[in-house]
Amino acid sequence: QQQVKQSPQSLIVQKGGISIINCAYENTAFDYFPWYQQFPGKGPALLIAIRPDVSEKKEGRFTISFNKSAKQFSLHIMDSQPGDSATYFCAARGNRDDKIIFGKGTRLHILP
Amino acid sequence: NAGVTQTPKFRILKIGQSMTLQCTQDMNHNYMYWYRQDPGMGLKLIYYSVGAGITDKGEVPNGYNVSRSTTEDFPLRLELAAPSQTSVYFCASSLSIPTVNTEAFFGQGTRLTVV
Repeated sequence: QQQVKQSPQSLIVQKGGISIINCAYENTAFDYFPWYQQFPGKGPALLIAIRPDVSEKKEGRFTISFNKSAKQFSLHIMDSQPGDSATYFCAARGNRDDKIIFGKGTRLHILP
Repeated sequence: NAGVTQTPKFRILKIGQSMTLQCTQDMNHNYMYWYRQDPGMGLKLIYYSVGAGITDKGEVPNGYNVSRSTTEDFPLRLELAAPSQTSVYFCASSLSIPTVNTEAFFGQGTRLTVV
């Protein structure tokens, strides 16, 4: 049973455009929502993370939007660049849990 | 800064063989994790540990074993390798429960093929 559902599976965006990746969850006990970025042949690396008491968090060109009532959160990449081409994973952790659960990932390709 | 180090990077096993995937971290982190990554399936948690001497099962523990005798090391043991265990394995660590202030760091991965 997948607890974090991520879409789309793959995404192609023109350079300079906005990339949007969405995730939905069902467990209301989740209290930590990170996004990871993974380049080919490398391990995932934390990109940005948010708590459910915050509706939006921005770090440079990367923004997490969080909708607690809808149990959805999304990653927005502004002014997308070819160097952003990677696989992105949303994830979540329960408030009494030690482990992070991952979505299935989105392969993002930015056209030059 | 070494961070999380996994060895080997690549390995081919024959069905029924066994092996140990090594993971060590030099950040004095208490929490360590083993994930496997299959194409289009994200990362699935195999086992995790919240400190030396303490381990617990994740989502997909069957066919694997772990031990945590020291803070630094968290080896993953495959007994009787099967083709279904062909995957990329990632080890991760964090100081404590991952939060917005406590990041989980991943190793570079071990690509395992069972033939």
